Amino acid sequence: AVQLVESGGGLVQPGKSLKLSCSASGFTFSSYGMHWIRQAPGKGLDWVAYISSSSGTVYADAVKERFTISRDNAKNTLYLQLNSLKSEDTAIYYCARGQYRYNLGWFAYWGQGTLVTVSS
Amino acid sequence: DIVMTQSPTSMSISVGDRVTMNCKASQNVGSNVDWYQQKTGQSPKLLIYKASNRYTGVPDRFTGSGSGTDFTFTISNMQAEDLAVYYCMQSNSYPFTFGSGTKLEIK
Repeated sequence: AVQLVESGGGLVQPGKSLKLSCSASGFTFSSYGMHWIRQAPGKGLDWVAYISSSSGTVYADAVKERFTISRDNAKNTLYLQLNSLKSEDTAIYYCARGQYRYNLGWFAYWGQGTLVTVSS
Repeated sequence: DIVMTQSPTSMSISVGDRVTMNCKASQNVGSNVDWYQQKTGQSPKLLIYKASNRYTGVPDRFTGSGSGTDFTFTISNMQAEDLAVYYCMQSNSYPFTFGSGTKLEIK
């Protein structure tokens, strides 16, 4: 079965950095695009970033220049490097699987999320 | 960016009711709208993809329709386990954008 398990969240001070991981299993990780989506406490869903199977990337304007999505196909792991964190980055961060060798489309699989809290 | 205007924000419903919610895209997104259900404390779950396709295992009381800029999601016979927040999302172009959600509550 497809499984996505996020880790790396925690409490971090404004301006600091954090690196999130998403460990994937149950499918051929290297063949799928992957996404990060976040949800601030009590708020709606916001798409954050995408990495294609060939490692092309796209970012939401709110995180461009601060966040970096990457992947290690040998480790079946997706990453999100969060730099220059702001209080408004406080959210649950979900990874989600995209489509097989297609850059657009729906998210059939989501992880359980990891909470990032930015506060002094 | 494409804005997804979702309505209503919340609904008070009874078990057995027919529930309808809408999403309007600020520009043509073809049929590339997906609907997700999120129960309290859980990750979102895909119900409908490409406007009208029911995902594997999703009960047939959930249906979606629409194209272009106007989309509708319907629960034909509301069940207690359907209490959740429902989100539309356009997956036609980046950045993907979500509606603000519709929260279903018991009357």
